[in-house]
Amino acid sequence: GNSVTQMEGPVTLSEEAFLTINCTYTATGYPSLFWYVQYPGEGLQLLLKATKADDKGSNKGFEATYRKETTSFHLEKGSVQVSDSAVYFCALSENTGGFKTIFGAGTRLFVKA
Amino acid sequence: KAGVTQTPRYLIKTRGQQVTLSCSPISGHRSVSWYQQTPGQGLQFLFEYFSETQRNKGNFPGRFSGRQFSNSRSEMNVSTLELGDSALYLCASSSGLSTGELFFGEGSRLTVL
Repeated sequence: GNSVTQMEGPVTLSEEAFLTINCTYTATGYPSLFWYVQYPGEGLQLLLKATKADDKGSNKGFEATYRKETTSFHLEKGSVQVSDSAVYFCALSENTGGFKTIFGAGTRLFVKA
Repeated sequence: KAGVTQTPRYLIKTRGQQVTLSCSPISGHRSVSWYQQTPGQGLQFLFEYFSETQRNKGNFPGRFSGRQFSNSRSEMNVSTLELGDSALYLCASSSGLSTGELFFGEGSRLTVL
């Protein structure tokens, strides 16, 4: 079945550091790929998405490219801020007569001032 | 427009009791998905409803059930509660017709004593 694997955390960075969170997936078809973010005490919110191979999703300085050849969707940001501290989830969704979104385990990011 | 609303936000039950959680999706969205979030298991898919029909179901026992009403509001029910059912239950809505992008509520935190 479909699955998502992302790097374990926590990841601790200083402000203005470069961020990479790795994500790889296994899917039988052609899924859409997502990054969601969860701030403390809140539900998840969509950060960015890509719906087909070679698409680049971007939002708030974050970006990720859908790489079919390596089945990856790594999240990057050039300069993190303290306010980026949160849990980040990589996810895939495939329409098989209904949508079922599969999430990775989540990576907690701490950014120090 | 209003986001996804879940009620109640917090509740405490004892083993053997049953609980009903409610979710009102974004206006116009016809798909509602439910997820269980725990520190050990992460985000696990429970089920997805679209226009009052269950389209997808996760690997949970029959004690977990749900339904969707004609106005797209959804409820999930857990009967014969066990300690392991303590979790954050997240509801997500989507149009159900495109890429599977989800919009989450803040969740209902259930504690079973």
